[in-house]
Amino acid sequence: QKEVEQDPGPLSVPEGAIVSLNCTYSNSAFQYFMWYRQYSRKGPELLMYTYSSGNKEDGRFTAQVDKSSKYISLFIRDSQPSDSATYLCAMRGGSQGNLIFGKGTKLSVKP
Amino acid sequence: GAVVSQHPSRVICKSGTSVKIECRSLDFQATTMFWYRQFPKQSLMLMATSNEGSKATYEQGVEKDKFLINHASLTLSTLTVTSAHPEDSSFYICSAGIDSFNEKLFFGSGTQLSVL
Repeated sequence: QKEVEQDPGPLSVPEGAIVSLNCTYSNSAFQYFMWYRQYSRKGPELLMYTYSSGNKEDGRFTAQVDKSSKYISLFIRDSQPSDSATYLCAMRGGSQGNLIFGKGTKLSVKP
Repeated sequence: GAVVSQHPSRVICKSGTSVKIECRSLDFQATTMFWYRQFPKQSLMLMATSNEGSKATYEQGVEKDKFLINHASLTLSTLTVTSAHPEDSSFYICSAGIDSFNEKLFFGSGTQLSVL
């Protein structure tokens, strides 16, 4: 079993839809969870950063962490065509540990 | 957020030549920078951790003589792919943390290397 599993998609939604992106993981030591957005042939951009369980909201983005289920989610409200990108989840154990990435989910928001 | 600049964005070279990729932190000092490799539809794989003023730490399976890393200053790390071969063709990305704990990483824009 891989440490981090993420459905690669592609996921296609109409503009304005609520998008749900998810990752599961196997290492119960992970405590720091991140979501990155990566446009084609560009470096990843940090979107959300959370520690331990709970929710975090930033504008149209909400990150959820359920450590009991080893499951994290990113919700995008009122999705826009500019949100079309690949979204990567990432996580680590300690604050200085190596970052483990998911494969990324490719999202396409149609106008 | 912090800015990490990476050059070149794309390079095409002949087999057997060496290619140097630069990674700069523009508005902060980075004692540690990270080099990743990404194949199409695959996740980012950490290649090595670059430490200013000391030798880089390579991940298992990464040839240190093949991928030379130099971190001569707090704002610049370089990755040199020596004697490149077609199987080295990939997307290389650097990143740096804005504090000594490297809790939050900021990435460069990546370099697409194509070896003919």
